[in-house]
Amino acid sequence: EAGVAQSPRYKIIEKRQSVAFWCNPISGHATLYWYQQILGQGPKLLIQFQNNGVVDDSQLPKDRFSAERLKGVDSTLKIQPAKLEDSAVYLCASSEGGPSYNEQFFGPGTRLTVL
Amino acid sequence: GNSVTQMEGPVTLSEEAFLTINCTYTATGYPSLFWYVQYPGEGLQLLLKATKADDKGSNKGFEATYRKETTSFHLEKGSVQVSDSAVYFCALSHPTSGSRLTFGEGTQLTVNP
Repeated sequence: EAGVAQSPRYKIIEKRQSVAFWCNPISGHATLYWYQQILGQGPKLLIQFQNNGVVDDSQLPKDRFSAERLKGVDSTLKIQPAKLEDSAVYLCASSEGGPSYNEQFFGPGTRLTVL
Repeated sequence: GNSVTQMEGPVTLSEEAFLTINCTYTATGYPSLFWYVQYPGEGLQLLLKATKADDKGSNKGFEATYRKETTSFHLEKGSVQVSDSAVYFCALSHPTSGSRLTFGEGTQLTVNP
């Protein structure tokens, strides 16, 4: 069974530029998560989708970050414009879904460097 | 709010040494507790979990016991190997937060031959 796929694996941009990340979850997984992992810290949830609807985006900086999950499968996370403090690894995870915890499977992440 | 605190790292051990990584949590009620591992260049993987007090999670020689009285979930292994070198994250999920995971800061473990 294929795991969670993410691309690109690495991205370097200048501050104030825009960037987008892509995630393809495990087939059949209804729930998709985006986490931000700053160096030396644990992952922090940015947004959670259940199918193509947003369940939790309380920690998403909505002035510059946006995410969508069209058709309830793939998802993109965008940052516009990027700031230096956005340098981090962006992790995508998916799970079978439901209101209670189901094991989350993580992709390899996209490492973003903002110069 | 919910939070997880891990012992500060990094931790460096010799092969076959005993490992303990401390984890304590703050949450109301009965959260579920997890240990995730991140090997170099790879994504996070679930190592073990416990969903109620006094449960012991175990996998690959690692184990952790859910201690409600001390709000702890310490990770232990009796004899570490070089291949255990990785970053270990303690995490919790709470019934009121659905399936959201709250992670600790992570502990870098290096095992030398």
